[in-house]
Amino acid sequence: QKEVEQDPGPLSVPEGAIVSLNCTYSNSAFQYFMWYRQYSRKGPELLMYTYSSGNKEDGRFTAQVDKSSKYISLFIRDSQPSDSATYLCAIRRNAGNMLTFGGGTRLMVKP
Amino acid sequence: DVKVTQSSRYLVKRTGEKVFLECVQDMDHENMFWYRQDPGLGLRLIYFSYDVKMKEKGDIPEGYSVSREKKERFSLILESASTNQTSMYLCASRAAREQFFGPGTRLTVL
Repeated sequence: QKEVEQDPGPLSVPEGAIVSLNCTYSNSAFQYFMWYRQYSRKGPELLMYTYSSGNKEDGRFTAQVDKSSKYISLFIRDSQPSDSATYLCAIRRNAGNMLTFGGGTRLMVKP
Repeated sequence: DVKVTQSSRYLVKRTGEKVFLECVQDMDHENMFWYRQDPGLGLRLIYFSYDVKMKEKGDIPEGYSVSREKKERFSLILESASTNQTSMYLCASRAAREQFFGPGTRLTVL
């Protein structure tokens, strides 16, 4: 079993839709949770970072962590064609450890 | 702005060739990483370095080596390239909580 599981998609939605992207993880020692966005032919860039259960908002993006279920989500409100990208969840045990990435979900937002 | 650059965007090599992938960062970061990215598998860590001349194996180091002679430069070496090393290679450097990635090198081994 992979440590971090993520549905590869692709996920296709109309412009303006609410998007939900999800990851599950197996190791309860993970403490830090991140979402990276990767546009085609580019490297990933950090989108959201959180280390606690609950919600964190940043503009149209909300990261949600449920440590009891080992489940993390990224919600995108009012999705735009410019949100079309691959979204990767990344998880870390503690500040000094390496990141473990999910496989990435490809999102397409159609105008 | 943090900048991580990689020497090539696309590279085509033949089986058995020695391949060098170069990565340079301009933010004086101590930690640098090499990943490969394959469809459905996400990013997998090959090697990382936490200081000059220091290196640690990641999850999939077999067939690879690295070199870090200067703080800003981290090189990935494929001693004898094989077709199963065809992949996207991403370099990253790390600040306190964030890893900054380069644009990637798409390597094809024929």
